[in-house]
Amino acid sequence: GENVEQHPSTLSVQEGDSAVIKCTYSDSASNYFPWYKQELGKRPQLIIDIRSNVGEKKDQRIAVTLNKTAKHFSLHITETQPEDSAVYFCAATQYSSASKIIFGSGTRLSIRP
Amino acid sequence: DGGITQSPKYLFRKEGQNVTLSCEQNLNHDAMYWYRQDPGQGLRLIYYSQIVNDFQKGDIAEGYSVSREKKESFPLTVTSAQKNPTAFYLCASSTGLAGRYEQYFGPGTRLTVT
Repeated sequence: GENVEQHPSTLSVQEGDSAVIKCTYSDSASNYFPWYKQELGKRPQLIIDIRSNVGEKKDQRIAVTLNKTAKHFSLHITETQPEDSAVYFCAATQYSSASKIIFGSGTRLSIRP
Repeated sequence: DGGITQSPKYLFRKEGQNVTLSCEQNLNHDAMYWYRQDPGQGLRLIYYSQIVNDFQKGDIAEGYSVSREKKESFPLTVTSAQKNPTAFYLCASSTGLAGRYEQYFGPGTRLTVT
């Protein structure tokens, strides 16, 4: 079955700097990779996703990149702000098939003022 | 007000007792899920259901049971067989079971068993 590894487990960056969170997956059948953000005391929410037919997707200050050959995908946050402080989860699944979504272990991102 | 709700927010039980966590959604979603969240371990799938009266075991189903008698409801029972039941439990729902459907999470229930 699918296994998703996420690194680092904690990340602290200066406000305004960039943050990068990396994930690897094991199942070559996975072709859809969503990212969820969980702020302190709140529920996880989808912030961005990418399908395997593209290598990069951007939405304002956040972007995801995918290296299908290496089975790596990453979340990039530029110009970090205090509201970016949260736990981020990567995930892997199949876009069109009924399949479980497998989450990574999470990265706790802290933005230093 | 559409959404997914879980109750109670905090739950305390004595060891050896079964306890049922509630999950209700009015989003008309077909698929529902239960996850367990422990520090440093992310979200682990306990059970999921694609339609009424059907459900499947996830990765850590031992010691848990579910039912799906109504589309809106997917209660989770933590039985006395679950060796480490203290955790944060998240319920989620989505339009369908395929990966492309966003999962909408409830606010969670923190269960403490002593």
